[in-house]
Amino acid sequence: KAGVTQTPRYLIKTRGQQVTLSCSPISGHRSVSWYQQTPGQGLQFLFEYFSETQRNKGNFPGRFSGRQFSNSRSEMNVSTLELGDSALYLCASSLETPDWNEQFFGPGTRLTVL
Amino acid sequence: SQKIEQNSEALNIQEGKTATLTCNYTNYSPAYLQWYRQDPGRGPVFLLLIRENEKEKRKERLKVTFDTTLKQSLFHITASQPADSATYLCALDGYSGGGADGLTFGKGTHLIIQP
Repeated sequence: KAGVTQTPRYLIKTRGQQVTLSCSPISGHRSVSWYQQTPGQGLQFLFEYFSETQRNKGNFPGRFSGRQFSNSRSEMNVSTLELGDSALYLCASSLETPDWNEQFFGPGTRLTVL
Repeated sequence: SQKIEQNSEALNIQEGKTATLTCNYTNYSPAYLQWYRQDPGRGPVFLLLIRENEKEKRKERLKVTFDTTLKQSLFHITASQPADSATYLCALDGYSGGGADGLTFGKGTHLIIQP
């Protein structure tokens, strides 16, 4: 069974630009969660999608948004990039809710904002 | 707000010994607690999940305990090997009464097993 895939793996953008990251969950998984990981803050929850609906949202500004398609693939978008958005963005999928189900993480997208 | 604390300093253990990692939390009563392993440049990998009504859980050389009175989980690796060297993260379910809030992760403990 193929694992969670994320594209692109690396991305360099400049301040003010926007970016879209993509995540393909494991086949059959309906829940997709996104996390931001930085050395200072660690792994922080961005949002979770289930059956094309955002079910939960972390404490991030509205510049961070996402969506999920009918095939469970998910995208996240960050608009008006700031230097502080430089981070590893991780996507994780699970069968149902991530709270009591094992989450399978992708390799992440390393975003650098210059 | 929920707060999870893991030893931020690296933990150095001699090969063959038992490594014990600590996860403390405050302002919360999680129904579940999970442990993940993360290697450099990779996403976390799920290891174990323990429920609030479970005191202990084992998987091969791994053992997790969950003390809801102390608000603490201990993660043990017995007969440690250099290949066990990694960062270990604990995560709590984010249910706060008004709905699930996603998993809340600690910042992780970097474990180094020395040959």
